Amino acid sequence: EPEVTQTPSHQVTQMGQEVILRCVPISNHLYFYWYRQILGQKVEFLVSFYNNEISEKSEIFDDQFSVERPDGSNFTLKIRSTKLEDSAMYFCASREDSSNQPQHFGDGTRLSIL
Amino acid sequence: AQSVTQLGSHVSVSEGALVLLRCNYSSSVPPYLFWYVQYPNQGLQLLLKYTSAATLVKGINGFEAEFKKSETSFHLTKPSAHMSDAAEYFCAVSDRSSARQLTFGSGTQLTVLP
Repeated sequence: EPEVTQTPSHQVTQMGQEVILRCVPISNHLYFYWYRQILGQKVEFLVSFYNNEISEKSEIFDDQFSVERPDGSNFTLKIRSTKLEDSAMYFCASREDSSNQPQHFGDGTRLSIL
Repeated sequence: AQSVTQLGSHVSVSEGALVLLRCNYSSSVPPYLFWYVQYPNQGLQLLLKYTSAATLVKGINGFEAEFKKSETSFHLTKPSAHMSDAAEYFCAVSDRSSARQLTFGSGTQLTVLP
């Protein structure tokens, strides 16, 4: 069964550094998402992406965050200048362009900011 | 705005006993509803979804859930728990817009006792 893959599985970064989290969505999917889960808290929506542009974003997704689909397969989340509170598990998800299809999630990237 | 409430952050059952995980939602429009399971160090795996067909939805691993509009509930059940069911379970809701980002509950950690 096709999967969403995320790399790396664990990223350790110094505060203030830029970090890029990478995702390869399922190949025929057209909607892409990033979510995060701070340790011990609920999974929170960050951003959705369709047709090469952001379709929705949450209040968490401020100017420090950006997303990009640089080629036909990758979907990336960039955090420009990381803060301690950015430490979390980041999940990528993708979905078919059909009315009732669910989102499929990757295994996540654990981001640790030192 | 949508929200999800999962009653009971921790539920313990004996192996072979009924599993009941509670989920109530709030939505101003007819929602799509989902249950996801998260095993340790893994991503979110879809258990089942409700998208306005049958109100009783069957999922993987013997789980099912019933959509009750009058109670705004979507409780997850399994007749007989197995040790391998021990995991964290998340209820999620989305609207029917094109982006359809998910709003998650805070999760229920299921422990299965031998």
